[in-house]
Amino acid sequence: GQQVMQIPQYQHVQEGEDFTTYCNSSTTLSNIQWYKQRPGGHPVFLIQLVKSGEVKKQKRLTFQFGEAKKNSSLHITATQTTDVGTYFCAGQAGGTSYGKLTFGQGTILTVHP
Amino acid sequence: NAGVTQTPKFQVLKTGQSMTLQCAQDMNHEYMSWYRQDPGMGLRLIHYSVGAGITDQGEVPNGYNVSRSTTEDFPLRLLSAAPSQTSVYFCASSYQVSGANVLTFGAGSRLTVL
Repeated sequence: GQQVMQIPQYQHVQEGEDFTTYCNSSTTLSNIQWYKQRPGGHPVFLIQLVKSGEVKKQKRLTFQFGEAKKNSSLHITATQTTDVGTYFCAGQAGGTSYGKLTFGQGTILTVHP
Repeated sequence: NAGVTQTPKFQVLKTGQSMTLQCAQDMNHEYMSWYRQDPGMGLRLIHYSVGAGITDQGEVPNGYNVSRSTTEDFPLRLLSAAPSQTSVYFCASSYQVSGANVLTFGAGSRLTVL
């Protein structure tokens, strides 16, 4: 079945440093989504990428979708303590509109002030 | 507008007991799903439903049952709890954005099986 691998599993940074998490799928995706889960909370949708090579920005966050639609990355510039949490990618295979999402293992980000 | 509501938030069971995790959404979403979250494993799909009366298995369905009699409700039943089912369970409902299945999660239910 479809597998989505995410690295690194953990990342510790000093406030102000940059952070990147990477996501790789074993199969071509129709879209990829990113979610953030604050400590003790539930995952919250951040963004979706649909097009090959797509790049989207949300303030200090930059999301990329690979040309082959099998990999993606999330980059945070100048991290802040509010960025702490677990970041998940989730890939949706092609086909039906309600295609199942396969989540990566998540990257736990710790930001030291 | 409450979104996705899960109950209970916490539950402790003994091995062999049964229970039902409740999930309700008020957004009229067709798609609902259950995930479990374990350290280092991400979110794994247990069961999902694309509409009332339609359910299907996800990645880790063993030991769980679901039904979808209404659009709003999607309960998850543990038939005979085992310690391996100790986890945090999330219910999610879905809307579509440009063909993508975007999930809205409930607050989660933390289950401990002794």
